[in-house]
Amino acid sequence: AQTVTQSQPEMSVQEAETVTLSCTYDTSENNYYLFWYKQPPSRQMILVIRQEAYKQQNATENRFSVNFQKAAKSFSLKISDSQLGDTAMYFCAFISTSGTYKYIFGTGTRLKVLA
Amino acid sequence: GAVVSQHPSRVICKSGTSVKIECRSLDFQATTMFWYRQFPKQSLMLMATSNEGSKATYEQGVEKDKFLINHASLTLSTLTVTSAHPEDSSFYICSARIGTGLDYEQYFGPGTRLTVT
Repeated sequence: AQTVTQSQPEMSVQEAETVTLSCTYDTSENNYYLFWYKQPPSRQMILVIRQEAYKQQNATENRFSVNFQKAAKSFSLKISDSQLGDTAMYFCAFISTSGTYKYIFGTGTRLKVLA
Repeated sequence: GAVVSQHPSRVICKSGTSVKIECRSLDFQATTMFWYRQFPKQSLMLMATSNEGSKATYEQGVEKDKFLINHASLTLSTLTVTSAHPEDSSFYICSARIGTGLDYEQYFGPGTRLTVT
């Protein structure tokens, strides 16, 4: 069975600084997708970034980038120039490309950006 | 981007009553809809997957007779919590998917907070 682990329950970062959130996963499959979702206090899930496992190049979206290490099964999220609006719960998620395509979410990291 | 709505956003009901939560994809037809449950400060747990016109597939440990899912159309899915009890109090989130296989997008609703007194 696939699992997703986020070992940092809470983190904080100063505004304008850079922070990295960790995520590891376990799967025996070769093709899959990985995601980072943001859940602000409003509780609305927002897609931050998506990575296809077959792509070696790390995905980037403006201030957000990932470090995808397939062999190590690691998928960390780097947030550059942190902003107060980045304060949220961040979930790492895995989806298999075989079968039912169901998301498996990690336990989340609560990030607080300090002014 | 695509929008998924949920109604109501908050509901309080008495123990023993039933409550229905609606999930709508507003500007697209969803191939599949998913229902999640999220306890405070915890992750999203998938409850069931539903496709229009067919029975929902429930995850292990989810009581299908208690959590009734109806997927009436490509834009509407409903979750009915029957004979609700305080332990059913939680945040329920739906998600709608468009596309199949590797070519898909998935959007989340804003959630519904259910409190059973």
